[in-house]
Amino acid sequence: SAVISQKPSRDICQRGTSLTIQCQVDSQVTMMFWYRQQPGQSLTLIATANQGSEATYESGFVIDKFPISRPNLTFSTLTVSNMSPEDSSIYLCSIPGLRDTEAFFGQGTRLTVV
Amino acid sequence: LAKTTQPISMDSYEGQEVNITCSHNNIATNDYITWYQQFPSQGPRFIIQGYKTKVTNEVASLFIPADRKSSTLSLPRVSLSDTAVYYCLVGPDKLIFGTGTRLQVFP
Repeated sequence: SAVISQKPSRDICQRGTSLTIQCQVDSQVTMMFWYRQQPGQSLTLIATANQGSEATYESGFVIDKFPISRPNLTFSTLTVSNMSPEDSSIYLCSIPGLRDTEAFFGQGTRLTVV
Repeated sequence: LAKTTQPISMDSYEGQEVNITCSHNNIATNDYITWYQQFPSQGPRFIIQGYKTKVTNEVASLFIPADRKSSTLSLPRVSLSDTAVYYCLVGPDKLIFGTGTRLQVFP
């Protein structure tokens, strides 16, 4: 299994500001995934971050709102831009495991926008 | 991507066996079936994965019929600590989560 560290673990932010979430993995991985989990809901895939190329966003998510960086094979950031209270969620990063559809998740970043 | 359907919630008591069934009628030939467990304030954790027939590990068993249109996660002798949300996913790579099943275990 892999060790995934997310920072910050939680934050309370003012509306209109931006927050950058960091995800550090202890091994090199080609793909990293970013998810959002709204209170009481399931996980929703935001985007796939590939090293050396633009992130691929899912329907309903755009780069201007959720810019992603992937500078190397062990690190990625997700920025939540121009935040509103509707952005209050847990944001999780994930990496594939050894087997098809097996994945490892970070502990998540609990974001509250006031 | 194949869509999954699970019961929204289930209740059980400590020591009982719990079976959670997931429907995935549109599963593709190269899709695997994977189950995850999620506790509050934590990321999902891999439980078990299978392609067909039966798979067993130290935590659970996974039963998959020949047509692969459904699967059943079996948790033997649950304890209070098994109270969590359980997700069934199918696919070759990208993980799309369904609603999950919220399991509540009572003493």
